Amino acid sequence: AQSVTQPDIHITVSEGASLELRCNYSYGATPYLFWYVQSPGQGLQLLLKYFSGDTLVQGIKGFEAEFKRSQSSFNLRKPSVHWSDAAEYFCAVGAGSSNTGKLIFGQGTTLQVKP
Amino acid sequence: EAGVTQFPSHSVIEKGQTVTLRCDPISGHDNLYWYRRVMGKEIKFLLHFVKESKQDESGMPNNRFLAERTGGTYSTLKVQPAELEDSGVYFCASSHWERGLAGYEQYFGPGTRLTVT
Repeated sequence: AQSVTQPDIHITVSEGASLELRCNYSYGATPYLFWYVQSPGQGLQLLLKYFSGDTLVQGIKGFEAEFKRSQSSFNLRKPSVHWSDAAEYFCAVGAGSSNTGKLIFGQGTTLQVKP
Repeated sequence: EAGVTQFPSHSVIEKGQTVTLRCDPISGHDNLYWYRRVMGKEIKFLLHFVKESKQDESGMPNNRFLAERTGGTYSTLKVQPAELEDSGVYFCASSHWERGLAGYEQYFGPGTRLTVT
């Protein structure tokens, strides 16, 4: 069965420091991978997605993620964190056929940013 | 362009009562999804509409949950009767329907927080 694991429930980083959020997936076929962010009181916002091609994908707000098939990982990175990045981050894999859109999510990682 | 809206934002009901959640997708989006997050757990898929038809309802927990999408526009999710374990945040998402991968680019609403006491 497909699954997504985000090993870190909470992460605290200092403003200006680099960030890496981990995501591992279990999926038999070529995965479609996503990172979403949820700020307090807001809906989930799509940060970036990977369907195929270049394994390093760029997203909004200065985020990037790298797909590593050999490690079944899709880690999210940002070189310099801003206080406004404090939020909950979700990794997800697309399941089902290509036109159904069903997503399977990890448990989420809450990011706290220290001044 | 308006985003996905959900109503109410928060609902507190007693066990055994009925609650109806509403989702208004982005105009023109034929795909509509319901997800749920129980506290401390991951967000889980409930069901998927394409226009007014249920494409996949494999995630619906049991027959106390009824989802409808009349006319292929807004959708409602009714819980009757509500149980304590139904508490959580219910998210709605929408996307374009077309061949390929567009369905995965989902826009989420802010969610409805349901508390069953």
